[in-house]
Amino acid sequence: KQEVTQIPAALSVPEGENLVLNCSFTDSAIYNLQWFRQDPGKGLTSLLLIQSSQREQTSGRLNASLDKSSGRSTLYIAASQPGDSATYLCAVSPDYGQNFVFGPGTRLSVLP
Amino acid sequence: DGGITQSPKYLFRKEGQNVTLSCEQNLNHDAMYWYRQDPGQGLRLIYYSQIVNDFQKGDIAEGYSVSREKKESFPLTVTSAQKNPTAFYLCASTGGDTGELFFGEGSRLTVL
Repeated sequence: KQEVTQIPAALSVPEGENLVLNCSFTDSAIYNLQWFRQDPGKGLTSLLLIQSSQREQTSGRLNASLDKSSGRSTLYIAASQPGDSATYLCAVSPDYGQNFVFGPGTRLSVLP
Repeated sequence: DGGITQSPKYLFRKEGQNVTLSCEQNLNHDAMYWYRQDPGQGLRLIYYSQIVNDFQKGDIAEGYSVSREKKESFPLTVTSAQKNPTAFYLCASTGGDTGELFFGEGSRLTVL
C-alpha cells in the first residue's frame, strides 16, 4: 500500500529565504506526483504536476523535482514571501484517473 | 470559468440526521472524488467515481453514500451511521491529458 510522508511537518523562515520541502513515497510505480497549497479553511490549489516520465516542473518561484527510483520529490521555493505561508501537500497516483494518496503536509510560515 | 463548486460551505446537523453535500464540476472530467480532512490528519478517500453510474469505496466509506447519475455531479450523503461526521469535506476531479487533480473549496460539516 502506497504511503506518503512529508518532512518537515512545520517550518518557519524569515522572508526572502530559499527553502525546500520534502516528499517521500514508498511505491515507485506512480503515474503522477502533484504538489498543492492549502490555506486555512480552504480547498487545495494545484501548484505543480510532475508526470512519471518527467524529472522536474517549474512555475514562477516554484520548482518541483521527482526521483521515482528513490521515491522522493522536493518542492523548492525561491525568495519566500509572507504570502507563501500555507500548508503544502504532495500526492501521488498509481495511474490515470486513479486515487491520489496524500502526505500529511508541511505547514510553512514566512515571517516578515 | 471552469471549476468545481461545492455547497453548502458550512452545514450544521443534529445527530441522527442524514445530510447531502453537493459537488458540481464543469471541467468535463470523468473521475470525481470525495475526501475527508480532519485537523492534523491528511486527506482520506471516502468514495471515487471514474465514470457515470459507477463508483468505488475508498478507505473510509462506512457511513457515507454517493451517486453519479451525471458526469458533472457527484453528491455525497453523510448518513446517521457515520459515527464521527464532523469534518471538512473536499470534492475533486481529474481529467484532461495529464490527469491533474483539481479541488473545490470544501464543505465544513458540524454535528451538534
